[in-house]
Amino acid sequence: KQEVTQIPAALSVPEGENLVLNCSFTDSAIYNLQWFRQDPGKGLTSLLLIQSSQREQTSGRLNASLDKSSGRSTLYIAASQPGDSATYLCAVRTITQGGSEKLVFGKGTKLTVNP
Amino acid sequence: GAVVSQHPSRVICKSGTSVKIECRSLDFQATTMFWYRQFPKQSLMLMATSNEGSKATYEQGVEKDKFLINHASLTLSTLTVTSAHPEDSSFYICSAARGANVLTFGAGSRLTVL
Repeated sequence: KQEVTQIPAALSVPEGENLVLNCSFTDSAIYNLQWFRQDPGKGLTSLLLIQSSQREQTSGRLNASLDKSSGRSTLYIAASQPGDSATYLCAVRTITQGGSEKLVFGKGTKLTVNP
Repeated sequence: GAVVSQHPSRVICKSGTSVKIECRSLDFQATTMFWYRQFPKQSLMLMATSNEGSKATYEQGVEKDKFLINHASLTLSTLTVTSAHPEDSSFYICSAARGANVLTFGAGSRLTVL
């Protein structure tokens, strides 16, 4: 059974810092891995999608890496801003034994960037 | 860009009543929609996969008679929580699939059962 763990559960940093969020998964047989952002009371916004054959993806100040063999991904946020404050979720796309696809989410890392 | 509209965003109901949540893809057709729920401090958990024109596939532990899913068209899926109880209070999110890898999520619906 696929399990996704995110560390730390919460993180508070001053504005301008570079930071790393960690995600690990137990089963390396994944199609892809996605990082999402969730603002309070809101839905999910997809940030980066890394295919299983890729090592990293970049979008603006965000960079996500994937090491499938070790079951790890990191989300790097450069020059953090107060607007980056949100909960960041990592999810892996897998195939179940029944043949259906599913996303398995971590519990998220709650990021607070202080002005 | 692709937009998924989820309605209502917030609903409060009495125990024993039924609540319907709608998930609409506004500018694309979605043959597959997914329903998730998230309890406080828990992971987002897949409840069921909804395919247009066929019965939904429920995850283990999710009661299909309690959480009725109807995917009547390529742009609309509904989740009905029947005979809701306080333990059903949660944040319900839907997502719609565009192609193999692209998922667009709704804004979520906060259900509070008194």
